[in-house]
Amino acid sequence: AQSVTQLDSHVSVSEGTPVLLRCNYSSSYSPSLFWYVQHPNKGLQLLLKYTSAATLVKGINGFEAEFKKSETSFHLTKPSAHMSDAAEYFCVVSDRGYSTLTFGKGTMLLVSP
Amino acid sequence: EAQVTQNPRYLITVTGKKLTVTCSQNMNHEYMSWYRQDPGLGLRQIYYSMNVEVTDKGDVPEGYKVSRKEKRNFPLILESPSPNQTSLYFCASSDTFGEKLFFGSGTQLSVL
Repeated sequence: AQSVTQLDSHVSVSEGTPVLLRCNYSSSYSPSLFWYVQHPNKGLQLLLKYTSAATLVKGINGFEAEFKKSETSFHLTKPSAHMSDAAEYFCVVSDRGYSTLTFGKGTMLLVSP
Repeated sequence: EAQVTQNPRYLITVTGKKLTVTCSQNMNHEYMSWYRQDPGLGLRQIYYSMNVEVTDKGDVPEGYKVSRKEKRNFPLILESPSPNQTSLYFCASSDTFGEKLFFGSGTQLSVL
């Protein structure tokens, strides 16, 4: 079975400081991995996607994530947080072997001035 | 504009009264799916559809039904809603399975 663990339910940063949101996964096959963002009262929006072409994936709004197979991790980073980054972030694994998508429980990012 | 449209946005109902939440996409996507979002649990997949007339259970299908008679529509049916189905529901679609998902705006359902 596939699973996703987001290691922090809440992360607080100051504007202008780096962001790190952690995600570990398990999958029996070669997975695709995603990060989605959800702003308050909105649907989810894709930030970035990993599909084995490159281990470092760049997404929108300055976010990037690195796929580390040996650590089964796919952590999301951004060099400098902006107030508009405050939202909930979801790590997702997509496994063709199971034909289902599994979402992590989410990490709420709080950005203070 | 490419979009996934869910209706209604908010719904309050009573236990046992059948309801349908509609979902429609205008991108000719093959894959469609339904999720429920509950605090602390993230999104959990209810049902998904790889294409017309092809549907399958996700992680939490109990108490729900779906149909995919046309490519663009994927309604979620609650035959006999119960209070534990009070949740925020999202419909999503993608070109094929494993590609970028486009989400609807959500339906907040309360079952009294």
